[in-house]
This record gives sequence, structure tokens and C-alpha cells, in this order.
Amino acid sequence: EAQVTQNPRYLITVTGKKLTVTCSQNMNHEYMSWYRQDPGLGLRQIYYSMNVEVTDKGDVPEGYKVSRKEKRNFPLILESPSPNQTSLYFCASSFGLSYEQYFGPGTRLTVT
Amino acid sequence: KQEVTQIPAALSVPEGENLVLNCSFTDSAIYNLQWFRQDPGKGLTSLLLIQSSQREQTSGRLNASLDKSSGRSTLYIAASQPGDSATYLCAVRVGGFKTIFGAGTRLFVKA
Repeated sequence: EAQVTQNPRYLITVTGKKLTVTCSQNMNHEYMSWYRQDPGLGLRQIYYSMNVEVTDKGDVPEGYKVSRKEKRNFPLILESPSPNQTSLYFCASSFGLSYEQYFGPGTRLTVT
Repeated sequence: KQEVTQIPAALSVPEGENLVLNCSFTDSAIYNLQWFRQDPGKGLTSLLLIQSSQREQTSGRLNASLDKSSGRSTLYIAASQPGDSATYLCAVRVGGFKTIFGAGTRLFVKA
């Protein structure tokens, strides 16, 4: 089944403790992206990747890192999480700019 | 800077009614526009994708139109059903692989 998977689905952590949210797609998509969704602010793009080893900042990249070492994986790294990074995170992928984006199920992160 | 607005923010209709959701964007330089549905606490499900060169796309009871010159897209839902209750989001893809989302329209269809 074609899909985008994220792990973990739920995570509660403390301020400053490094964490990684994994994202994987099995559709051989070139493009992958991370978003966060917050009440009243909607979905905002954090980082995106056009291909292996090619990444760029979205609208809200501060406090996040990404890497794309393999085509199928695009992990989101929070080196020192803070409470303002409490949010619902989504990973998405597509074949390219002209193709529809497919979204993962989301990761609900709480930073205390 | 591209901004995407969806009106209305919320909508309640009786079952069977035809309805239109609106999405407007400030910069016509887009690659495409995609409509999504999001159920509470869930991920996004793609409904329709319209390329910048297209005027409309249809899937079942859904029809999406795009008028790039005026910066508008509409999602038409025919014969609404309670199962259509969800939040509907539009997103525009702009240069540099960026995607900008609207805040969404929360739809409630009453049985």
C-alpha cells in the first residue's frame, strides 16, 4: 500500500531533550516536506527536500533540522525542543512540483 | 508574500444541499492548487489537484475550479451528506517548492 508513515504518532517530552520524528514514504517520491499545524495558525511549512541531499527552509524553520540521506526517509530533528514547538506535525511527499502531495497521519508532540 | 484565505471559516448546512467553499490567494504565480479534507485529529486526505493551466477538476460529487487571474478557487460539493462533515483546506504551490495553506473551512452537514 502506497503511504507516508510517521513515528512516533504521539510524543511527550521535556524541554531540551533532543528528539527525532521519522518520516518514510514507499512511493519513490522526489519531494518531501514537513509541516506543523497549530490552532489559529493553520498548516505551516517547516522544511522541504527536492531530492537526496537537497533541502531548503520553509516558513518556520527555526529550531528544526532535517536531513535527506535516502530518498524514502526525511527525519525531522529537534535538537533542543521548547514548549512553543508543541504542535501537530505532518510529513508529506510527492513526485514533484506538479503532483499532488500525500500526507502522513501526523505526530502529536507535547514539550513540557 | 503569498497569502491564502478561505471563506467562510465555518459552515453548517442540511443534508442534500449543494454548497461552495471558497479559497483566494494574493499572488497568481502558482504551480497548482490542491484541496484537502481533514477529519478531527486525523491527517489530510487529498481531494483534487488543479494545475495552474487548468480551469477545473472533478471527482464524484466534488468539482474544483481555478481562476488564476483573479486569485480564486472554489470547491463545489453536490448533494452534501453527513459524512462530508470535516475541515476543508486549500493549498497553493509556489516557486521553490513552497506550499501555502489556507486556514480551512469547517463544514458540518446536518442529517
